[in-house]
Formats: sequence, C-alpha cells, structure tokens
Amino acid sequence: QSALTQPASVSGSPGQSITISCTGTSSDVGMYNYVSWYQHHPGKAPKLVIYDVDKRPSGVSHRFAGSKSGNTASLTISGLQAEDESDYYCSSYTSSSIWMFGGGTKVTVL
Amino acid sequence: EVQLVESGGGLVQPGGSLRLSCVASGFTFRSYAMNWVRQAPGKGLECVSAASPTGGSTYYADSVRGRFTISRDNSKNSLFLQMNSLRAEDTALYYCVKGGDAGDYWGQGTLVTVSS
Repeated sequence: QSALTQPASVSGSPGQSITISCTGTSSDVGMYNYVSWYQHHPGKAPKLVIYDVDKRPSGVSHRFAGSKSGNTASLTISGLQAEDESDYYCSSYTSSSIWMFGGGTKVTVL
Repeated sequence: EVQLVESGGGLVQPGGSLRLSCVASGFTFRSYAMNWVRQAPGKGLECVSAASPTGGSTYYADSVRGRFTISRDNSKNSLFLQMNSLRAEDTALYYCVKGGDAGDYWGQGTLVTVSS
C-alpha cells in the first residue's frame, strides 16, 4: 500500500486558479470513482471539499472543483483567496477496502 | 449536528496497549461505515482501519494489521480501536471519521504517544 502522489507545494496569487494533482494506480484512483479531497488547517479536523471525484458537499464553495483522468485526479481552486491557504489531501477508496491518502500539498497564497 | 468525540489516547511504552473510543451523535450511526485515520507528527494522513455499518466486515492498513482491532457497538453509537504491540511509529493524532466513500465528518482526534 503506497500513498497517492501529490506535489509537496503549490502557490498562486489571489484571484488566480491552481490545480493540485493526485496520482495513484489502477487499484485505487483508476478503479474507483471514489476520490475525495480534504482541506486541513493545522490544529483543526480535516474538512471534506470534494467527494466522488467531482461532487461538492453542501456549503463548500463553487471555487473548488474536482476531476479525474485515468489514474490521476485533480483539485482546482479558482479565484484563489487568502482563506484557501492550507494543506490539501486527496484520498481514494482502494481494492483493500480502506482509503489511501496522498502525501498532502501545501497551498500558499502569495 | 453530527459530533464525533474521541477518547482514550495517552502516553504508552513500546509494546504496550491502548483502546481508543469514539462516541457519535447527530446521525444514524448503525447505517454508516466508520474509520480511524491517523496523522503522525509532521506527516500526512493515513487510514488505519475501517468497519462496515454492522461491524461484520473490518479492514486494516498493512502497517497495523495483526496489531490493531476495530470494533463498534451500534447500541451505544460507539466505535473502538484496540491497539496492541504499539511501536514508536504509531505515535499520532487518531481521528474517528464517518463515511464509506469519503470522510464527511471528522472528530477532533485523540493523541497517542508511544515512548519509553
């Protein structure tokens, strides 16, 4: 069981769009449409921002969008805001019936 | 309002045991899969175990299989994680997480420190 691969950091200026990639295998991301994304501010519980590849939970901004192609999923944050600065983790259901997480991406708003 | 409240963490010596508990409220507990996810200091998230709604099916990460046991008491809206043969690398904040496809609600976590 190896973690999904995410870039360690991504940055952008306010108003810009950024995209975080999440690469897995044919046993997780490629097999299931159960990719989710979490925003995690240090000291707080992670918050679900995308589930089932591209669905937004109630209350999550439309600026967050998810997609998937083959073994790679992506999270795009448009109209970047200071409050978006956080750690982001992708996750996928796996053939082992538990979630596999990515290593996390630190998003910095310049 | 959904609430997940973990307890049972603490300082334990290598080789020791701990039992984590999570009490759920605000949703029909018996209808949902539940999970334990941990975050070691300075590291990312790791799902260590999952249980089906009835508890009849349980799943483990390779890193804890054979040492940890997940269980649930649906009559008490409670999830448990029995952790045996603890190692230094098990030191982490352990979260109780609701959900099957994705974790839509998370507790605040309970800290487990394995050290002599």
